[in-house]
Amino acid sequence: QQQVKQSPQSLIVQKGGISIINCAYENTAFDYFPWYQQFPGKGPALLIAIRPDVSEKKEGRFTISFNKSAKQFSLHIMDSQPGDSATYFCAATGPPGTYKYIFGTGTRLKVLA
Amino acid sequence: GAGVSQSPRYKVAKRGQDVALRCDPISGHVSLFWYQQALGQGPEFLTYFQNEAQLDKSGLPSDRFFAERPEGSVSTLKIQRTQQEDSAVYLCASSFIIDSYEQYFGPGTRLTVT
Repeated sequence: QQQVKQSPQSLIVQKGGISIINCAYENTAFDYFPWYQQFPGKGPALLIAIRPDVSEKKEGRFTISFNKSAKQFSLHIMDSQPGDSATYFCAATGPPGTYKYIFGTGTRLKVLA
Repeated sequence: GAGVSQSPRYKVAKRGQDVALRCDPISGHVSLFWYQQALGQGPEFLTYFQNEAQLDKSGLPSDRFFAERPEGSVSTLKIQRTQQEDSAVYLCASSFIIDSYEQYFGPGTRLTVT
């Protein structure tokens, strides 16, 4: 019940295309869902996050779509660029008072120039 | 410094040796987390501090793992009698206020046990 399932494992997108990464969870007590970007040899960097009281959040080219009833959320990267090539992790945490993240297994994104 | 720093960045230990990994969180950050990231996997929670209090150590894989944060700032993760399965990247993250979910990660320490 603590798992967060992430797909696909890897993704290749043409420059300018849309990258979509999906995550699913079981624990309905989760109430915060961040996405992290990780480059080789670096720590994960927070990209964008959402709470379950909204269905979508957009920051620049990055959008989270959240479906509470389906217990799924996804990251959309619009106008994907070669510099976006990295590994992306979804995560979940909650309820309040619980702060540890449960991470997905990661998606390795490659954007072709 | 501007971000979370960790040292050493790389550590090679012979099986059975003890190691100590250091984390300097962002100044003023109350909460501190340790995660273990195996190759090709997502980070897995190890332990959590709020100031100097260790509030959750449910992710520590065995009693060979020990973490401390005696003055509520710098933290050390110690692994005794290292085993090959301990080889991983150890990530530290910090968070500004108690009720904030946003965690900021350091670059990690890559531990290789030979």
